[in-house]
Amino acid sequence: QKEVEQNSGPLSVPEGAIASLNCTYSDRGSQSFFWYRQYSGKSPELIMFIYSNGDKEDGRFTAQLNKASQYVSLLIRDSQPSDSATYLCSTSGTYKYIFGTGTRLKVLA
Amino acid sequence: DGGITQSPKYLFRKEGQNVTLSCEQNLNHDAMYWYRQDPGQGLRLIYYSQIVNDFQKGDIAEGYSVSREKKESFPLTVTSAQKNPTAFYLCASSIDGRPIPQHFGDGTRLSIL
Repeated sequence: QKEVEQNSGPLSVPEGAIASLNCTYSDRGSQSFFWYRQYSGKSPELIMFIYSNGDKEDGRFTAQLNKASQYVSLLIRDSQPSDSATYLCSTSGTYKYIFGTGTRLKVLA
Repeated sequence: DGGITQSPKYLFRKEGQNVTLSCEQNLNHDAMYWYRQDPGQGLRLIYYSQIVNDFQKGDIAEGYSVSREKKESFPLTVTSAQKNPTAFYLCASSIDGRPIPQHFGDGTRLSIL
């Protein structure tokens, strides 16, 4: 059973701090990695995607991928209360996307 | 604007009833997907379609059926055989089968009456 694992949280961070969200995956054949933000009752919204080992930065968000350790993370700098949501990690091969259960982030004002 | 439209937003099912959830996309994507999400859970794949007139079962296909008669449309029927249908249903699409980001609709919340 191919799996994506995340700590369910909640992860609480003060406003302005760095939030670090982590994800491990079991399928070494995974080719792409995605982070989605999901507000309660809404559909997932793509935040970042990464294909290669290393870091990828987009504004306040940085995705980090380590294929040898089968580990992907999302850093959110200068966290805002509006970042409070559930963050879903997803991996993908051909026609197959696998999602973790999500980490709930709470940014405290 | 291109996107995915799911309807209805909320749906109620009576015992023994089949209900159909609509998913339409105008992105010209070949691949379409149906997911189910239960509270506090990730997305689980019900069915996916790579191309018109073709579809495959996902991890939790029992009690569900789909059709793909048009490229733009991928309706999901929740049959009476699905004993626990209460969930949030999400339709998604991607250009093709490459491991690239999916586009999601706004979802349909299905409840039992």
